[in-house]
Amino acid sequence: QVKLRESGSGLVKPSQTLSLTCAVSGDSFPGGTYSWSWIRQTPEKGLQWIAYIYHDGVTYSNPSLRSRVSLSIDKSRNTFSLTMTAVTAADTAIYYCARATAAEYHDYWGQGALVTVSS
Amino acid sequence: QSALTQPASVSGSPGQSITISCTGTSSDVGRYNLVSWYQLRPGKAPRVIIYEVTRRPSGVSDRFSGSKSGKRASLTISGLQGDDEAEYYCCAYGGSTSLILFGGGTKLAVL
Repeated sequence: QVKLRESGSGLVKPSQTLSLTCAVSGDSFPGGTYSWSWIRQTPEKGLQWIAYIYHDGVTYSNPSLRSRVSLSIDKSRNTFSLTMTAVTAADTAIYYCARATAAEYHDYWGQGALVTVSS
Repeated sequence: QSALTQPASVSGSPGQSITISCTGTSSDVGRYNLVSWYQLRPGKAPRVIIYEVTRRPSGVSDRFSGSKSGKRASLTISGLQGDDEAEYYCCAYGGSTSLILFGGGTKLAVL
């Protein structure tokens, strides 16, 4: 069984940087065939995939967010992290971390972390 | 606006069947058999209920089924139950340019 748990800044000021970390338990991390995703949910847009990272650090991201997003992975701590720069109110969302399979679906998800962008 | 188009809401009575559509393009839904569906309930982690268009993860009821025709994928829930009330999202692989695309979500009400 794989478990994921998000943690990080719950309140971020506009123009500043959002940082979240996902702790993964279970024996599949980081796993050669899996990738590790960040996905967010807003009332206006629903779910939006942000990016994912592989065990070797290779990252793929949503073209609309690519310029502001970076991911990293720490195998020694069983964690992966998201950094998003220059945030605005539109980045207010529930942020989920999840495991993606080779068939491009997400089989395990965290409970989500609410991030609010406000001064 | 989301990349994939879903109806905002659907409703049904207990025991009935409903179908949620998900319309994409020839570059995503129409090109790859990599469509998945997720169930979101408040306070719970999202759950995959269909992957690779028609496949069900172990533990998911066979009341949930998926299909695809051209650029349109569908999720059917038969024998509606009260705890099916949730928000449902489709997701498709969009190739090396778009990667992972989600629909706007459909709220299911079981009346």
